[in-house]
Amino acid sequence: EAGVAQSPRYKIIEKRQSVAFWCNPISGHATLYWYQQILGQGPKLLIQFQNNGVVDDSQLPKDRFSAERLKGVDSTLKIQPAKLEDSAVYLCASSRTGGKGYTFGSGTRLTVV
Amino acid sequence: GQQLNQSPQSMFIQEGEDVSMNCTSSSIFNTWLWYKQDPGEGPVLLIALYKAGELTSNGRLTAQFGITRKDSFLNISASIPSDVGIYFCATMNYGGSQGNLIFGKGTKLSVKP
Repeated sequence: EAGVAQSPRYKIIEKRQSVAFWCNPISGHATLYWYQQILGQGPKLLIQFQNNGVVDDSQLPKDRFSAERLKGVDSTLKIQPAKLEDSAVYLCASSRTGGKGYTFGSGTRLTVV
Repeated sequence: GQQLNQSPQSMFIQEGEDVSMNCTSSSIFNTWLWYKQDPGEGPVLLIALYKAGELTSNGRLTAQFGITRKDSFLNISASIPSDVGIYFCATMNYGGSQGNLIFGKGTKLSVKP
């Protein structure tokens, strides 16, 4: 079974620029999650999708972050404009309904300078 | 919000030694999970606990779900160099949505050959 695919692996941008991350979940996984992991911390949920609908985006900074999962498969997370404090690893995860088979991707490391 | 307090923050041990780490919360949870994260990778599930008092083993790893449902412990016996990494406890947040995880800040394990 192929894992959760994320790209790019690394990204360096200047503050106030825009950036987008892509995630392709495990085939058949209805639920997709985006987590932010700041250095020295555990991952923190940004947004959760069930198929192509948003289940929980209560911790997503909506003034600058947006995410979509248009066809219920792959997803894109965007930051516009980026701030220095957005420097982190952005992890995508997917699971079957109910949280079973929860699997993380390798993440995208973002550095904002 | 809900927080998980993980200790110790870091450990530096000799190969062959046993390791113990724990995770506590002020809230009651129905699920406790232990993950390991290697550099540049996403967290990988080691052990899942679903019942108060449950003790589960996975090779040299043993984890327990505390009776109060507010804590959990992870033990590693006879550590080896590949045990190096960051260990996270996590619980599953069912409030408002299903399946998203709350993580502790991690315990960084270093093993000296």
